[in-house]
Amino acid sequence: KNEVEQSPQNLTAQEGEFITINCSYSVGISALHWLQQHPGGGIVSLFMLSSGKKKHGRLIATINIQEKHSSLHITASHPRDSAVYICAVKSQTSGSRLTFGEGTQLTVNP
Amino acid sequence: NAGVMQNPRHLVRRRGQEARLRCSPMKGHSHVYWYRQLPEEGLKFMVYLQKENIIDESGMPKERFSAEFPKEGPSILRIQQVVRGDSAAYFCASSPRRTETGEQYFGPGTRLTVT
Repeated sequence: KNEVEQSPQNLTAQEGEFITINCSYSVGISALHWLQQHPGGGIVSLFMLSSGKKKHGRLIATINIQEKHSSLHITASHPRDSAVYICAVKSQTSGSRLTFGEGTQLTVNP
Repeated sequence: NAGVMQNPRHLVRRRGQEARLRCSPMKGHSHVYWYRQLPEEGLKFMVYLQKENIIDESGMPKERFSAEFPKEGPSILRIQQVVRGDSAAYFCASSPRRTETGEQYFGPGTRLTVT
């Protein structure tokens, strides 16, 4: 079983819909990261969380440390949000490296 | 301030050749991480380096792969005698120091194709 599990693997939405991507992890962590990867493109860091909730524009990320769970929400989704969203954790025992989920492929149709 | 730079962006090698992937960290960053993304799979840690030191190479395949980060110049990931299974996107990331949060900045990646 992977240390970091994301769901769903694939998600298709209509423009304007509210989107939620989930991430569960099984290790003690120092921080959790949400990353975005466009097709053939690089990786952009969206959020880094160790507790609570963060908001940036239409994106909201929450984390529940006790339940070892995080969610990424996108409000008023747009076709340009189509990308792979990746959850990654910095565990308390793994040095500085990150451990990644498999990613969620999001497609937002106009 | 330029971001993390990787070159080449695309690299094609025949089986048995060597591949050299370069990563220039952000200015002021002395820690570099290499990750591999196989087709249809998630990112996997390979190696973590500081200038002139390998800190953690637990994710590196035991054979054919090596990495260095010299005092001057970029970090190099070297793959000898490439095989088709090495075809993947290789990302490097950098940070100014060892961080408790794992905060790091990613490069655009090098897409290696082995024919």
